[in-house]
Amino acid sequence: DQQVKQNSPSLSVQEGRISILNCDYTNSMFDYFLWYKKYPAEGPTFLISISSIKDKNEDGRFTVFLNKSAKHLSLHIVPSQPGDSAVYFCAASAGGGGNKLTFGTGTQLKVEL
Amino acid sequence: AAGVIQSPRHLIKEKRETATLKCYPIPRHDTVYWYQQGPGQDPQFLISFYEKMQSDKGSIPDRFSAQQFSDYHSELNMSSLELGDSALYFCASSLGLAGGYQETQYFGPGTRLLVL
Repeated sequence: DQQVKQNSPSLSVQEGRISILNCDYTNSMFDYFLWYKKYPAEGPTFLISISSIKDKNEDGRFTVFLNKSAKHLSLHIVPSQPGDSAVYFCAASAGGGGNKLTFGTGTQLKVEL
Repeated sequence: AAGVIQSPRHLIKEKRETATLKCYPIPRHDTVYWYQQGPGQDPQFLISFYEKMQSDKGSIPDRFSAQQFSDYHSELNMSSLELGDSALYFCASSLGLAGGYQETQYFGPGTRLLVL
């Protein structure tokens, strides 16, 4: 039972344009959401997070939007750069601090020149 | 800034052998998590520790055990290895569960285990 889903396995975007990565979840107990970037043979690198009490969080080129009613979140990267090419994982956790993460299946982002 | 350290980075074992993976969390982090990522799959939670006590347990086989030591490093012990145990094993650390608010988990580079 995949509780966190990333329906687009891959996404290709031109340099300088916006990249939008989507994530859907089914568990209404999830209250903290994170995006990680991952290169092959490396560990996931934390990008940005959002608590369920917010609907938007921004950090530099990265913005995460949360729509609780739709159980949907998205990561916007503006402007996209070639170095952003990687696999992006959406992750979610439930309950109070420090709980296990449930990951989505990942989206391979390719930013082309 | 100091990151999560995992050792070894690569490990090759035969079936039915044992393996021990080590994880050194970011300084002052007292919570450690272990995840397993199979080929083409997303990371799956195995087990976590907070202040040297097991705090949560996921899909960890009975052949695996783990503990967190007084210096907060953690070890994942894997026995009777099977071919299907071949995967990337990630350790992550965060600040503790106190306060009831979410703390970000930071991941190590992983240990790639190959069972032949």
